[in-house]
Amino acid sequence: GAGVSQSPRYKVAKRGQDVALRCDPISGHVSLFWYQQALGQGPEFLTYFQNEAQLDKSGLPSDRFFAERPEGSVSTLKIQRTQQEDSAVYLCASGERQGRYGYTFGSGTRLTVV
Amino acid sequence: GENVEQHPSTLSVQEGDSAVIKCTYSDSASNYFPWYKQELGKRPQLIIDIRSNVGEKKDQRIAVTLNKTAKHFSLHITETQPEDSAVYFCASRGTNAGKSTFGDGTTLTVKP
Repeated sequence: GAGVSQSPRYKVAKRGQDVALRCDPISGHVSLFWYQQALGQGPEFLTYFQNEAQLDKSGLPSDRFFAERPEGSVSTLKIQRTQQEDSAVYLCASGERQGRYGYTFGSGTRLTVV
Repeated sequence: GENVEQHPSTLSVQEGDSAVIKCTYSDSASNYFPWYKQELGKRPQLIIDIRSNVGEKKDQRIAVTLNKTAKHFSLHITETQPEDSAVYFCASRGTNAGKSTFGDGTTLTVKP
């Protein structure tokens, strides 16, 4: 596609609910990243895929967070039993090759946990 | 892990003036330094980047400088325009580390 597509654009979840956020990267991009951006702060790294392999998940804040990219294209970030502190914008980014170029970010999913 | 500090957190300039944003990093292995511009409610967009084998890079009104010894890099915007108003983020990345570490951002306001 022309850009990185994320859905939904907005999500309101009740505390304790499970959510799934989708990222559709630029076609052919090998690298895919998930970042969490709290209000007024820079993006914080969550996890990184190269093709279908999850190479780094050191930024996932707890075992309630899980990400997958089974076919090396679309990725899903799942948050189980959401908490209020999970409220943030979740940004997906894709890149042509590891470490080679800058990222292209998607518009993000704004998650609000009430 | 890597730590990136960005200053100032807010910057207000008059249209036509220059703006400078500075970042420092802690990991000497970092070798790639992108800058992103994020308008309110929109995605971060890459505006310029620099690699560690280069000391300066320029693209029209924006330039980035890198001092590897001091571990700091700066964004320079000349002849600022109101449409330059946004939040700017610096970031650093290592050779084999996929992730980037971002600064906390600088809110730039260009007054007409």
